[in-house]
Amino acid sequence: SQKIEQNSEALNIQEGKTATLTCNYTNYSPAYLQWYRQDPGRGPVFLLLIRENEKEKRKERLKVTFDTTLKQSLFHITASQPADSATYLCAPEYNNNDMRFGAGTRLTVKP
Amino acid sequence: NAGVTQTPKFQVLKTGQSMTLQCAQDMNHNSMYWYRQDPGMGLRLIYYSASEGTTDKGEVPNGYNVSRLNKREFSLRLESAAPSQTSVYFCASSEMAVYNSPLHFGNGTRLTVT
Repeated sequence: SQKIEQNSEALNIQEGKTATLTCNYTNYSPAYLQWYRQDPGRGPVFLLLIRENEKEKRKERLKVTFDTTLKQSLFHITASQPADSATYLCAPEYNNNDMRFGAGTRLTVKP
Repeated sequence: NAGVTQTPKFQVLKTGQSMTLQCAQDMNHNSMYWYRQDPGMGLRLIYYSASEGTTDKGEVPNGYNVSRLNKREFSLRLESAAPSQTSVYFCASSEMAVYNSPLHFGNGTRLTVT
């Protein structure tokens, strides 16, 4: 069956460093993958979408890569700030009207 | 713009009771979705409506029904609540089929079934 794994439940880093979050999926081949941010008590907020024919996508301090051979996406936040502290969810497309979400990685950026 | 609005924000039910979760979006989106989120698990799709007048089952539809009342509103009904339905429920909308557009989420309904 299809499986999505995000590298760890929690990641703690120092302000100014680069945070790298991993999303691995197995037993299927999504045509695209999305990343969302979720703050406590709130709904997820869309950050980036990357398609299978795109190796890398950037938005301000965010960078996403998509390796269809490794079945993996990496999400980077450069020059991290305490305000980046949140849970980050990856969502590889399952079929046209369905995405499957990972359980998320809770990032804490310490001043 | 309010975006996606869910009501109520919190609800406690006894086993066997019924209730309807309401969702409305003001972005003129075609597609709407209901997800549930449980600790340690990803968001799981319950039902979706690709366009007004259509609804389809997602990954975990058992115990739920939905109604796409009009383009703006998509409700989720629990006919006979069970403790396993204790969860946070999120409604979302997207401009078109998910392939091309991101999901916009509401802030959730926290449901406890005792």
